[in-house]
Amino acid sequence: QSVLTQPPSASGTPGQRVTISCSGSSSNIGSNTVNWYQQFPGTAPKLLIYSNNQRPSGVPDRFSGSKSGTSASLAISGLRSEDEADYYCAAWDDSLTELFGGGTKLTVL
Amino acid sequence: QLQLQESGPGLVKPSETLSLTCTVSGGSISSSNYYWGWIRQPPGKGLEWIGSIYYRGSTYYNPSLKSRVAISADTSKNQVSLKLSSATAADTAVYYCARHLLSIVVAVDWLDPWGQGTLVTVSS
Repeated sequence: QSVLTQPPSASGTPGQRVTISCSGSSSNIGSNTVNWYQQFPGTAPKLLIYSNNQRPSGVPDRFSGSKSGTSASLAISGLRSEDEADYYCAAWDDSLTELFGGGTKLTVL
Repeated sequence: QLQLQESGPGLVKPSETLSLTCTVSGGSISSSNYYWGWIRQPPGKGLEWIGSIYYRGSTYYNPSLKSRVAISADTSKNQVSLKLSSATAADTAVYYCARHLLSIVVAVDWLDPWGQGTLVTVSS
């Protein structure tokens, strides 16, 4: 069981807005930044959002991140079929450990 | 463009040591502010951070693996290595290396880019 809690699955139809939550504690999300990774089957994870809400170059602005207290969210607007992937939140913990959420499988219906 | 490539045996016998190397190209592992991390993913499961190293030798390890893990850096070869002793079937996973921006002082970190990963199976 992961210390960062994500829903195992999420879904939406093309064009919809979908959000994925990530819940932690004061020692990780509460005191450090949150990152999100996108992973397609058989490929390596890719940094999608860093420092809570920053997008690396090349990431569409349909993807956005936010953080409040000990929780964070990833939002995807204008959902597309190519967004179907696994999404992981991650954060450094004050115990000097990198934590990942259990991952959320996004299905585009 | 920074690229990372994992390499090593794809099959390890139980109780033996799993050894992998991450070769970095397009940049130096001696870059300031960057650690170099190892992450693994068992088949069909989520991501697990193993540990990270700064080129000068400072390391952070996952407490659940700390007694069995050793990560080292070879600046002359621009490589980072992972050794996981007393391997069991539970260590079967795809192993990734990644550049780890880690600044505890300003409380920011992220892993980017990642290598393509290498599957290691622990079986007799």
